[in-house]
Amino acid sequence: EDQVTQSPEALRLQEGESSSLNCSYTVSGLRGLFWYRQDPGKGPEFLFTLYSAGEEKEKERLKATLTKKESFLHITAPKPEDSATYLCAVGSGGSNYKLTFGKGTLLTVNP
Amino acid sequence: DAGITQSPRHKVTETGTPVTLRCHQTENHRYMYWYRQDPGHGLRLIHYSYGVKDTDKGEVSDGYSVSRSKTEDFLLTLESATSSQTSVYFCATGTGGDYGYTFGSGTRLTVV
Repeated sequence: EDQVTQSPEALRLQEGESSSLNCSYTVSGLRGLFWYRQDPGKGPEFLFTLYSAGEEKEKERLKATLTKKESFLHITAPKPEDSATYLCAVGSGGSNYKLTFGKGTLLTVNP
Repeated sequence: DAGITQSPRHKVTETGTPVTLRCHQTENHRYMYWYRQDPGHGLRLIHYSYGVKDTDKGEVSDGYSVSRSKTEDFLLTLESATSSQTSVYFCATGTGGDYGYTFGSGTRLTVV
């Protein structure tokens, strides 16, 4: 059974204070690792897909990296508008049609 | 959430009554999903569909049923609502490919 564990559960940062969120996973044959952002009262929104160890993807102040056991979402010089819950999910086996989600990390960035 | 519409957005219902939530997509995605999201549990899969009239159970399917008579519509029915089914319900669609899922805006259901 695929498992995804995210840490920390909650993270509070000051504006400009860089940090990282962690996503540890156990799967039988990783097909893809996904990062989503979820704002209060809304559905999750796709950020990145990573496929193999060593891969990195960037979007504005966010950079996602992948190893064989975990993924990190690095947030550089965050702004208050980066405050959200960040979700990690994995697809395994033959395709990404059925994802397993972690419980998320609630990020709060104070001005 | 362009392309995925959930209705209603909010609903309050009484214990024991049937409730149907609707998900409509214009993405023409093959796969459709119903999740519930609760504090401390994250997103949990209720049921999913891999084509018209083709559905399967997820990890928390007890007390729920689904139907998909058209590619664009996926209905979730609570046959007899209970207070434990108070939650936020999300519909999602996908192709099984590189972008994972596209989510709807959610339905907040309260069972009193």
